[in-house]
Amino acid sequence: EVQLVESGGGLVQPGRSLKLSCAASGFTFSDYNMAWVRQAPTKGLEWVASISYGGSNTHYGDSVKGRFTISRDNAKSTLYLQMDSLRSEDTATYYCARLYSSYIGYYFDYWGQGVMVTVSS
Amino acid sequence: DIVLTQAPLSVSVTPGESASISCRSSKSLLSSKGITSLYWYLQKPGKSPQLLIYRMSNLASGVPDRFSGSGSETDFTLKISKVETEDVGVYYCAQFLEYPYTFGAGTKLELK
Repeated sequence: EVQLVESGGGLVQPGRSLKLSCAASGFTFSDYNMAWVRQAPTKGLEWVASISYGGSNTHYGDSVKGRFTISRDNAKSTLYLQMDSLRSEDTATYYCARLYSSYIGYYFDYWGQGVMVTVSS
Repeated sequence: DIVLTQAPLSVSVTPGESASISCRSSKSLLSSKGITSLYWYLQKPGKSPQLLIYRMSNLASGVPDRFSGSGSETDFTLKISKVETEDVGVYYCAQFLEYPYTFGAGTKLELK
C-alpha cells in the first residue's frame, strides 16, 4: 500500500525557515517523480514544486521560486521541502504527492495526509 | 499559465439524482502525443484529494462507475449519476500538460 507521511509543520514567524519531510513507503521511491502541493485555509489547491526521480530536475511555482527548495533522499525514501523567508501567505496545509509519470503524461496519483504550516508573529 | 475555470462553484443535489461539473481551460490540453491532460480530483471533508478521472475520461482504480468524464480540448465535464452521500466534498479539475501545474477553483457538492 502506497503511503506518504508528511512531518515538520508548525507555527513559524515571518522571515524564518522550516523544513518539511515526506516519508514514502509501499513503492520504489526512486522510480517516481514527486511534488509538493499546498492548500491555504478554505482555499483551493496550488502546486508548489516538483522533483524528478533522481533529483536532478526541479520545478517551482512562481510564488515560491527562490525561497523554497525541493529535494529528496532516495536511500531514505524521503522527500523534503526547505522553506526559507516564509511569509504569511505561505500559511497552508502542505501535501506530498507522488507524480505518476509515463511517456504520455503526468499526474498526481497518491497524496499524503498533509501537514499544516502557519506563518505568524 | 493555463487557467482552469470551474462552474458552478457550488451545487446542491438530492441523493439519487445526477450532477454535472464543468471545467474550461484557457488553452488546449491536447498533448503532442494525442492525450488530453485533464484530471479530476475529489477532496472529501477533512481529507486529502483523491484521483477520480485521469486523461479526461478514464476512471481511476476503485472509483465507482457512477463517475464519468468527457470533453474536448478545452471544455470538460465531470458527471456523477445517482449521487450518494459519500460523494460530498470539493471537486477539482487539474492540468498536467505543462508547468505550472494548475487546478480549478473547486466545486463544492452538497446534498439537499
